[in-house]
Amino acid sequence: AQSVTQLDSQVPVFEEAPVELRCNYSSSVSVYLFWYVQYPNQGLQLLLKYLSGSTLVKGINGFEAEFNKSQTSFHLRKPSVHISDTAEYFCAVSGADKIIFGKGTRLHILP
Amino acid sequence: KAGVTQTPRYLIKTRGQQVTLSCSPISGHRSVSWYQQTPGQGLQFLFEYFSETQRNKGNFPGRFSGRQFSNSRSEMNVSTLELGDSALYLCASSLVLAGGSSYEQYFGPGTRLTVT
Repeated sequence: AQSVTQLDSQVPVFEEAPVELRCNYSSSVSVYLFWYVQYPNQGLQLLLKYLSGSTLVKGINGFEAEFNKSQTSFHLRKPSVHISDTAEYFCAVSGADKIIFGKGTRLHILP
Repeated sequence: KAGVTQTPRYLIKTRGQQVTLSCSPISGHRSVSWYQQTPGQGLQFLFEYFSETQRNKGNFPGRFSGRQFSNSRSEMNVSTLELGDSALYLCASSLVLAGGSSYEQYFGPGTRLTVT
């Protein structure tokens, strides 16, 4: 069985400050890991993915994530956020035969 | 490549009616998943179809059903609509590896259903 936990439902951060959105997963099989972003009134858009290889994955809009197998984590980071990063972010894990999504983290950018 | 398309984009129905939503996946994708998204419950998985067969199912009542056609297009049906069915319904398509794992899902823009 697989599960995904996004540890924060909301994260407020000042503009131009760094941010980390946390994601932990559990699975009995090897997994692929993803981060998605959803802007208001839109569908989900893939930010980045980890399939294999380098544990540091770079995505769109300056985001990156690090796969940590020992801690079963896949935290999303950005060194300097912009007001346009205001959105909901979803972590997802693909295992044996299904993709599981976390409950999402709302990123609030403060001026 | 064209993205995932969903029709209609907006729909208003009355309690007790039924509704059918349509999803056309990215060409070559044989897996189609459906999700319901509401402010209160967040993103919830409805079901996944792969090669015309339901492969996974979420925890929704039997009023929610779906099917997939030989060209991988999928439809979702909700019968006897309730006020609580008002939501954004998202469709996503993906490639499936030989072992059954799915690559990333690509989402459509969603259908906004309002039940009055």
